Amino acid sequence: SQELEQSPQSLIVQEGKNLTINCTSSKTLYGLYWYKQKYGEGLIFLMMLQKGGEEKSHEKITAKLDEKKQQSSLHITASQPSHAGIYLCGAVLRAQKLVFGQGTRLTINP
Amino acid sequence: SQTIHQWPATLVQPVGSPLSLECTVEGTSNPNLYWYRQAAGRGLQLLFYSVGIGQISSEVPQNLSASRPQDRQFILSSKKLLLSDSGFYLCAWSVGRGKATNEKLFFGSGTQLSVL
Repeated sequence: SQELEQSPQSLIVQEGKNLTINCTSSKTLYGLYWYKQKYGEGLIFLMMLQKGGEEKSHEKITAKLDEKKQQSSLHITASQPSHAGIYLCGAVLRAQKLVFGQGTRLTINP
Repeated sequence: SQTIHQWPATLVQPVGSPLSLECTVEGTSNPNLYWYRQAAGRGLQLLFYSVGIGQISSEVPQNLSASRPQDRQFILSSKKLLLSDSGFYLCAWSVGRGKATNEKLFFGSGTQLSVL
């Protein structure tokens, strides 16, 4: 089973709509990372969260780490075609190594 | 500035053939180096990581091996490829402190391996 569960696994939204992707762990998260991957390419770092309740934003993307530090959400406002791709959350869960969720494939329909 | 190079970008190999994927990092010293594999619907799976020359830690038993002959060079190998070795392989680096850390990872562009 995945140590980090992402939901949904795929998401199709109309351009301009808001959306949320979740990342859940059964263990306390020490450092939660969000990455974006364009199909068949490497990963691009988006944000890192470390403190419970922390929230960060970059352009139209906002990520939060809940108070108990076991779940994070990524929210995109007014989605655009450039937001399409695979979003992955990564976390340090054990032995200081970063593990990843299975990813959320986001499609934006014009 | 730091850069990471990974090659080849795509590779098609027959079952039973050997494999060698190479990753090099520029602009930093003593980085932590990682090999991940991405399979459809399964996210990224950590295969190997290295905190120094000749120091390799394996995360999962498998048909692959890794080596670090130089400080900024990380190689993923196999003597005989299996069909199940197909996937997208990513190399990554992070700031090294002599141990695996929770530092941000910087990824290469990936290698799509198809074993036929």
